[in-house]
Amino acid sequence: EADIYQTPRYLVIGTGKKITLECSQTMGHDKMYWYQQDPGMELHLIHYSYGVNSTEKGDLSSESTVSRIRTEHFPLTLESARPSHTSQYLCASSDPGTGNTEAFFGQGTRLTVV
Amino acid sequence: AQKVTQAQTEISVVEKEDVTLDCVYETRDTTYYLFWYKQPPSGELVFLIRRNSFDEQNEISGRYSWNFQKSTSSFNFTITASQVVDSAVYFCALSPPNTGNQFYFGTGTSLTVIP
Repeated sequence: EADIYQTPRYLVIGTGKKITLECSQTMGHDKMYWYQQDPGMELHLIHYSYGVNSTEKGDLSSESTVSRIRTEHFPLTLESARPSHTSQYLCASSDPGTGNTEAFFGQGTRLTVV
Repeated sequence: AQKVTQAQTEISVVEKEDVTLDCVYETRDTTYYLFWYKQPPSGELVFLIRRNSFDEQNEISGRYSWNFQKSTSSFNFTITASQVVDSAVYFCALSPPNTGNQFYFGTGTSLTVIP
């Protein structure tokens, strides 16, 4: 069982609010990711990090920002939520130190912006 | 370019039937990893299998089996004697080397097993 946690699981919030989606892992993994999953199921990489103080944008442009101050913590922030941000957000981590390994995923945050 | 194609968007089978989920990938790398993940209604992606491109042996794990064919760039997944608990979305993914452990996911196949 993977030790990666996301909070909240569900969030309904009004337009213009600032929100932070939390993601924590206890596996000591250096690599962490944020994926956005639209209703059509496709997963889009929006942010990733190689380690502390490292953040990169993914393939899908996103208005969100991330930070990596501690190895275990990779929060995602939306400064001003909009209805177009309604989606499921999945956090993952991996340990590529020994080669490409599987990513472990959290349970996701289902965000609805009204 | 890296790409994973799962042509089957939705599949429905009756319980105890066998079902194969197709996965075709594109990469110019000679070494890479392939994965299958399961996403149940609860939302998280559950890791099922990892396959190194050098290892073309088919693998069986209980009712699950995987057929890796490098010549056709396919990595198909078969569930034998399907059960209702197998109902989920299944994702195939590609991770080439020198990409910092990036994952390229297919669009997923939604499997419904009817009791």
